[in-house]
Amino acid sequence: GDSVTQMEGPVTLSEEAFLTINCTYTATGYPSLFWYVQYPGEGLQLLLKATKADDKGSNKGFEATYRKETTSFHLEKGSVQVSDSAVYFCALITVSGGYQKVTFGTGTKLQVIP
Amino acid sequence: DSGVTQTPKHLITATGQRVTLRCSPRSGDLSVYWYQQSLDQGLQFLIQYYNGEERAKGNILERFSAQQFPDLHSELNLSSLELGDSALYFCASSVVSAETQYFGPGTRLLVL
Repeated sequence: GDSVTQMEGPVTLSEEAFLTINCTYTATGYPSLFWYVQYPGEGLQLLLKATKADDKGSNKGFEATYRKETTSFHLEKGSVQVSDSAVYFCALITVSGGYQKVTFGTGTKLQVIP
Repeated sequence: DSGVTQTPKHLITATGQRVTLRCSPRSGDLSVYWYQQSLDQGLQFLIQYYNGEERAKGNILERFSAQQFPDLHSELNLSSLELGDSALYFCASSVVSAETQYFGPGTRLLVL
């Protein structure tokens, strides 16, 4: 079945450090890939997405590239801020026979210290 | 604000009871999804409805059921509640299937 594997957290970084959160997946067919962010006490918000191989999603300084050959969708940011502290979820959606399947990773908590 | 509303915000109940959680999707969104987020199991997809019909099923227990009404709002019914059902329940909506989902603020359920 479909699955998403994220690196375990928490990830603790100093402000302005480079961020990478790894995400790999297994899926039948051609999934769409997403990164969602959950700030403390809030629901999930879409951060970025990519719908086909080699697409790059980007938003708020975050980027992720859909790599079909390595089945990965790693999240990166060049310089993190304290306000980026949150839980980040990698997710995929596949559609088969008109039915959709949604799979989320377990989430990676990011803590950015001043 | 995502445009998805959920009520109630908090719910405290006892084991064995039944509760109903309500979700109103963003205007124009036909798909509604339900998720359960707990500390030990992370974010689990429960079920999806599209324009009133069930479209996908995830890890939803038989004690749980959902429906989507003609006005597109959805309800998640949880019955014979157990302590382990305590969690944050999120609703999300999207225009069509396989598209970006917009999440509501969640309903925090505590079963005592």
